[in-house]
Amino acid sequence: GAGVSQSPSNKVTEKGKDVELRCDPISGHTALYWYRQSLGQGLEFLIYFQGNSAPDKSGLPSDRFSAERTGGSVSTLTIQRTQQEDSAVYLCASTPVVGRNTEAFFGQGTRLTVV
Amino acid sequence: GEDVEQSLFLSVREGDSSVINCTYTDSSSTYLYWYKQEPGAGLQLLTYIFSNMDMKQDQRLTVLLNKKDKHLSLRIADTQTGDSAIYFCAERPGANSKLTFGKGITLSVRP
Repeated sequence: GAGVSQSPSNKVTEKGKDVELRCDPISGHTALYWYRQSLGQGLEFLIYFQGNSAPDKSGLPSDRFSAERTGGSVSTLTIQRTQQEDSAVYLCASTPVVGRNTEAFFGQGTRLTVV
Repeated sequence: GEDVEQSLFLSVREGDSSVINCTYTDSSSTYLYWYKQEPGAGLQLLTYIFSNMDMKQDQRLTVLLNKKDKHLSLRIADTQTGDSAIYFCAERPGANSKLTFGKGITLSVRP
């Protein structure tokens, strides 16, 4: 697609439920990142994919968080048994790996509210 | 290790210059970026600089890089109300490395 697409754009869920967030990166971009932005906070790194593998998942806050990427394209971030502190905007970005253009293109984010 | 530090808030008058600062700790960072986030919007790349450069100018934007002090700054000339946003600096050691962001600074432009 023309840009990074995230769905849903907004999600309200009850505490304890599982949620899945989706990211469609720009076609051909092999690197994909997930970040979390809480109200008034900066961007917190969660996980990074190179192709389908995740060289760095050090930012995942707990074992309730997991992510996968299939076909070197779409990625899903799953949060199990959601808690109120999980409420945040979840941002996805993709970058081409090689070449001089190393810009990270961001999606519009998914605003997750846990009630 | 990687850590990017920024102050939190800056207020300037319309027409003045704004200078936003950032300190990073990974001396191997090859790519350094400035991103802008307008209220309710996603992040937009403003400009970037490679570590083999000291300065880059792009219209009203000037990026200065001091590798010795690991200090990056963004100067916005003739600041406009449309420049009001959160500005993030970010670093990446190489093309295959993760992108690390600072906490962001909120720029408020008053008439």
